Amino acid sequence: NAGVTQTPKFQVLKTGQSMTLQCAQDMNHEYMSWYRQDPGMGLRLIHYSVGAGITDQGEVPNGYNVSRSTTEDFPLRLLSAAPSQTSVYFCASSYAQRGGIGEQFFGPGTRLTVL
Amino acid sequence: GDSVTQMEGPVTLSEEAFLTINCTYTATGYPSLFWYVQYPGEGLQLLLKATKADDKGSNKGFEATYRKETTSFHLEKGSVQVSDSAVYFCALREYSGAGSYQLTFGKGTKLSVIP
Repeated sequence: NAGVTQTPKFQVLKTGQSMTLQCAQDMNHEYMSWYRQDPGMGLRLIHYSVGAGITDQGEVPNGYNVSRSTTEDFPLRLLSAAPSQTSVYFCASSYAQRGGIGEQFFGPGTRLTVL
Repeated sequence: GDSVTQMEGPVTLSEEAFLTINCTYTATGYPSLFWYVQYPGEGLQLLLKATKADDKGSNKGFEATYRKETTSFHLEKGSVQVSDSAVYFCALREYSGAGSYQLTFGKGTKLSVIP
């Protein structure tokens, strides 16, 4: 089991560029999510998905798109990067269970810098 | 909405000192409570959890008790080690009955343990 994998580990973009952060899990988890982590802000939820073909917005979705075509993959797209999107991005997955979600497993993170 | 408040860091302790990191929460229902740990350069890992009032979660010498009367879930360890240096996040997941798929995180507390 590789768990939750994220690529790339580091990325530098120029303002206005687009890119996709990849996330994959091999645990057959229904629930996947993207967070951003900023100093003094904790983790904030960007988007999440409760299964293939189903996505929803979290706390800070603006400037990001997601799709969930398979159970395993949940890519995060930055449409037009801005310096405010400089952050560390974490993908997480878990089983969905009655009343909510189970333990979340986190990927190692992608550190993104937008110049 | 739900919220989690943690003591601000950073916290610096000498090896073998006693650790307390305070966490209080607000929620409308019956949340489950979690402590996650993030070691340098890594993603978050579940440290311990408690799912109902008076439950005590424990792992690796860390403990936290779910106190509904004070809406608290303070993390404690009797004797910290250098290897405990990390950022600690308190989080809650509220049981809504209709299915709640989000965790709410505190801002994190950075712990540094010096020899």
